[in-house]
Amino acid sequence: SQTIHQWPATLVQPVGSPLSLECTVEGTSNPNLYWYRQAAGRGLQLLFYSIGIDQISSEVPQNLSASRPQDRQFILSSKKLLLSDSGFYLCAWTILDGPSSYNEQFFGPGTRLTVL
Amino acid sequence: LAKTTQPISMDSYEGQEVNITCSHNNIATNDYITWYQQFPSQGPRFIIQGYKTKVTNEVASLFIPADRKSSTLSLPRVSLSDTAVYYCLVGDIVVRYGGSQGNLIFGKGTKLSVKP
Repeated sequence: SQTIHQWPATLVQPVGSPLSLECTVEGTSNPNLYWYRQAAGRGLQLLFYSIGIDQISSEVPQNLSASRPQDRQFILSSKKLLLSDSGFYLCAWTILDGPSSYNEQFFGPGTRLTVL
Repeated sequence: LAKTTQPISMDSYEGQEVNITCSHNNIATNDYITWYQQFPSQGPRFIIQGYKTKVTNEVASLFIPADRKSSTLSLPRVSLSDTAVYYCLVGDIVVRYGGSQGNLIFGKGTKLSVKP
C-alpha cells in the first residue's frame, strides 16, 4: 500500500532562518506531488506541484522554493523565512491514469510551522 | 478553474442528516466535483466524487443537478466524529504529456459542528 511521510511534524523557526521540509511517498512510482499551505483559519493554497524529477511548477510567487531530487521525494525550502510563512504545510500525491482524468489526492500528516 | 462557494459553517446534532451545498456556476464540461473532509491538524481526506446525477458510497451521497452548477454533499445520521471542515472542489486535472497540468484550489470550506 502507498504511504506518504512528512517531517518534521512541528517546527518553530526565527525570522530570517532557512527552511527545509521533506515529503516522501512509498509504494508508488512516478506520482504527481504537491505542496500546499494552510494559514490559520484559511483554506489550502497550492504552492507547488511536480509531475516528475526536477519538474516543478510554482502556483504563486513567494518566498519558498521546491525541489524533487528523486521520484518519490519532494522538498520545500526557503533561504530566509518570513513571519507570513507560518502555517500548516501539507504534501500530497496522486497518480493520473490517463490524458484527461481527475484522481483522488492523498495527503500527508502535515508540518506545523511557526515563524517567530 | 471553476470557483466554488460554500457556507462558512453549519451546526447539526447527532443522528441528523446534514446537507452541504456548493455552488460552482462556471463549471466546465470536463470538471469533476469532489469533496474532502479535514480534521484539525490533519490533511484532507477524500470523501466522494461525481460528475452528474447521484453518487453514493459508504460514508456519503453526492447530488448533482442536471445543470451541474451546484452540488450537495449529504451525510446521513452524523455523529460527533463528523465534526470537521468539508471542502468542495471542482476541477479537471489534465495531463498534457510532456507539459504541465492543472491544479486544485481548496476554498475555505464549510466547518461542520455536530453537537450531542
